[in-house]
Amino acid sequence: SYVLTQPPSVAVAPGQTARIPCGGNNIGNTGVHWYQQKPGQAPVLVVYDNSDRPSGIPERFSGSKSGNTATLTITRVEAGDEADYYCQVWDRNIDHVVFGGGTKLTVL
Amino acid sequence: EVQLVESGGGLVKPGASLRLSCAASGFTLTPYSVNWVRQAPGKGLEWVSYISSGGHFIYYSDSVTGRFTISRDDAKNSVYLQMNSLGAEDTAIYFCAGPTSTTTSRYFDLWGRGALVTVSS
Repeated sequence: SYVLTQPPSVAVAPGQTARIPCGGNNIGNTGVHWYQQKPGQAPVLVVYDNSDRPSGIPERFSGSKSGNTATLTITRVEAGDEADYYCQVWDRNIDHVVFGGGTKLTVL
Repeated sequence: EVQLVESGGGLVKPGASLRLSCAASGFTLTPYSVNWVRQAPGKGLEWVSYISSGGHFIYYSDSVTGRFTISRDDAKNSVYLQMNSLGAEDTAIYFCAGPTSTTTSRYFDLWGRGALVTVSS
């Protein structure tokens, strides 16, 4: 089955830029979506279709893809951005949803 | 307010069954697909099942195929997850989630708050 690989953790200082990678074979051929989840809360969609932002999501959040890696970038990181972040795709070969293992963003 | 509300979670013994409900509030669920996603304690998100609008297409993860059944009752504005032969590995918070657009089913911009299912003797 399709696998999305994320680093377990990323740490950045406030005001800096956080980059969270998501690797997958032929990920360039499918839309990648990103979720933010804070402790005790449901996930929130922050980027969809690789680089689009839902209404209400700050412009500091952006998505991109290059080769076999998608990246969620958070500029001017704030303490409130500390959360787990998950990438997700739809594996159209078997009509399954696939999540990455998640990355814990720590704001130092 | 547009929201999804899960119910039916609880503590059950291994081998037991449980049915979760996901009720839509503030909108009509009929044109939208719905998914169940679970999260074991301290772990990541795991997709469980999908049902299309009208119920014509249904998919399951390998870990629940043959044990779980997803269904919907648009008259009751609800989606259900019947879970049979539960094991400790099914212990998790179960979220229902889906798109608020009828043009995609590939990502989820509406999530419920989740229902906790604990399987323990």
